Amino acid sequence: GAVVSQHPSWVICKSGTSVKIECRSLDFQATTMFWYRQFPKQSLMLMATSNEGSKATYEQGVEKDKFLINHASLTLSTLTVTSAHPEDSSFYICSAPISGRGTDTQYFGPGTRLTVL
Amino acid sequence: AQSVTQPDIHITVSEGASLELRCNYSYGATPYLFWYVQSPGQGLQLLLKYFSGDTLVQGIKGFEAEFKRSQSSFNLRKPSVHWSDAAEYFCAVGALAAGNKLTFGGGTRVLVKP
Repeated sequence: GAVVSQHPSWVICKSGTSVKIECRSLDFQATTMFWYRQFPKQSLMLMATSNEGSKATYEQGVEKDKFLINHASLTLSTLTVTSAHPEDSSFYICSAPISGRGTDTQYFGPGTRLTVL
Repeated sequence: AQSVTQPDIHITVSEGASLELRCNYSYGATPYLFWYVQSPGQGLQLLLKYFSGDTLVQGIKGFEAEFKRSQSSFNLRKPSVHWSDAAEYFCAVGALAAGNKLTFGGGTRVLVKP
């Protein structure tokens, strides 16, 4: 159990276009999902918290107009990188927590590699 | 604010030898601690977690970690490494008070020599 999927696994796009990345919890419901960004050979940096039925909460320094997050259902959150530029090229990872014993354990998707030309 | 430090960027170990990965955290309250492993092309997999209770935690794949509050550490160990253990390992700290957000360490890349 506790499987999180992401689609696509990789995407190449031209500068100025928008790209949508999906994150799904396959066998559980998630009212909250998290979006991370990972640069090559670096750690994961939390970008935002996606909340089902309400606005996402963004971390300091993350442009909310550039990284649009929609959590339309209890199993799906989407991240749209708008007007992508080469500096947005990165590995984007989502996670979804499962409640238990007072706190949550997060399960991670396999990630989406975005390359902006 | 919570923070995590993994002092070793790279570790090379011979197959069959023991492995220890260091993790130090900073958090004002009782932290929830995690170790994840990331293999090339794969997502992060949870190895083990510490919430409370016994400070020696057993995980999957033969890994264990020990929480030492006095040293603010949560080091990961494995008695005998297999070639398949070559991967990137991340220590993370979470907190209920922080909305269960995770803060990750910089990661330690483990190379296994035959």
